[in-house]
Amino acid sequence: QKEVEQNSGPLSVPEGAIASLNCTYSDRGSQSFFWYRQYSGKSPELIMFIYSNGDKEDGRFTAQLNKASQYVSLLIRDSQPSDSATYLCAVNVQAGTALIFGKGTTLSVSS
Amino acid sequence: KAGVTQTPRYLIKTRGQQVTLSCSPISGHRSVSWYQQTPGQGLQFLFEYFSETQRNKGNFPGRFSGRQFSNSRSEMNVSTLELGDSALYLCASSSRAGGGETQYFGPGTRLLVL
Repeated sequence: QKEVEQNSGPLSVPEGAIASLNCTYSDRGSQSFFWYRQYSGKSPELIMFIYSNGDKEDGRFTAQLNKASQYVSLLIRDSQPSDSATYLCAVNVQAGTALIFGKGTTLSVSS
Repeated sequence: KAGVTQTPRYLIKTRGQQVTLSCSPISGHRSVSWYQQTPGQGLQFLFEYFSETQRNKGNFPGRFSGRQFSNSRSEMNVSTLELGDSALYLCASSSRAGGGETQYFGPGTRLLVL
């Protein structure tokens, strides 16, 4: 059973701090990794994707991938109250197969 | 470009009925995937269609079915509804088949089964 695990949270950080969200996956052959943000009552929206080991930065967001340790993380710098949402990690195990989602981590940023 | 659209947005049905949900992908996208989201199970993959062919299928009973039309619009059908089918049903489109391609979600259809 291929799995994607996330700490459900809630993860609480003060405004301006760095929020660190983590995700582990079970299939070592996984190829593509995605982070989605979902506000309450809304559908998921893509934040970032990463395919290669290392860091990938986009504005205040940095995705980190470590295939040897089978984890992917998302750092949010200068967290804002508007970042309060559930963050979903998704993994594509093999090209041509479906995405597998974690159950999400709820982030709360207090002002 | 217009995003993914789903209709209806909300639906109330009773046990035993059937329901059909519709999804129109982003223009030019040929892959449509369907997901069920519940508080307990999270986002679970139902099936994916690409060029009118089902490419992948999740672990759901045969009561859940889908199809895709030549214009890439997709429908999913749930027959003999059960209380446990109450969920947010999301469709996502991408330009190519397979989950490795970035997927964009529609607003979802919230189904309540009474």
